[in-house]
Amino acid sequence: EAGVTQFPSHSVIEKGQTVTLRCDPISGHDNLYWYRRVMGKEIKFLLHFVKESKQDESGMPNNRFLAERTGGTYSTLKVQPAELEDSGVYFCASSQIAGMDETQYFGPGTRLLVL
Amino acid sequence: SQQGEEDPQALSIQEGENATMNCSYKTSINNLQWYRQNSGRGLVHLILIRSNEREKHSGRLRVTLDTSKKSSSLLITASRAADTASYFCATDPEYGNKLVFGAGTILRVKS
Repeated sequence: EAGVTQFPSHSVIEKGQTVTLRCDPISGHDNLYWYRRVMGKEIKFLLHFVKESKQDESGMPNNRFLAERTGGTYSTLKVQPAELEDSGVYFCASSQIAGMDETQYFGPGTRLLVL
Repeated sequence: SQQGEEDPQALSIQEGENATMNCSYKTSINNLQWYRQNSGRGLVHLILIRSNEREKHSGRLRVTLDTSKKSSSLLITASRAADTASYFCATDPEYGNKLVFGAGTILRVKS
C-alpha cells in the first residue's frame, strides 16, 4: 500500500512568489492534515480536512495560505505571496475515519526555502 | 495551548544500551503517538497508545502512559546505530484531531 506522498520534495523561491504544495493521502483515508516545522520550532498543526471539507483551520498563520481538497482526494496548499518566515518543512498526514485507526501517517515533507 | 515536551533534548548512548525518552503534556488526550525522524526525512509512526492504556509494546519499543501525571515514556531496548534519529511525542487532544508535537529528543547511538 502506498504511503502519503508529497510534491515537490524541495522548493526554493523568492519572496513574493507563489508556491503550491501537493499531498496525496493514503487511499481511502478521509482525514488529511497539514503541519509545518519552521526552523528551530516544533511541528505545528495548520489544518484538517475531512473529505473535502475543512474541519479545522485554526493553525493557518494568515490569509496568504490557502488549502484545498477538491473531490476529497489529494490536497494542495498554496502560499501567495511567500514571505521569508514561511521557510520550513511542510508535512501532510492522513488517517482513517473516526472510530477506526487513529494513527496519522505522515508524508516525507516538502522543504520550502523562501529567499 | 497544549504543548508536549520531551526530555531529554539530546541523548547519546552506546549500541546495545537502552534509551529512555520522556514526554509531558498539559491537557486531556485521546491518545499519544510517538514518531521518529531520520535526518532530513519524513516522520515515521512508531506507536500509538490510547488514554485508557498504560503500557504498549512493539518489538524493541515500550511505551508507557500515565494520564494522572500527563506523561509518557518511550523505551528503546538494545539500541542500534540505525536508531539514531529524532524522536517526537504527539498528543491527540480529547476534542479535535490536531496533533500537538513536542520539540523532540535527538538520540545518537554510537557503534
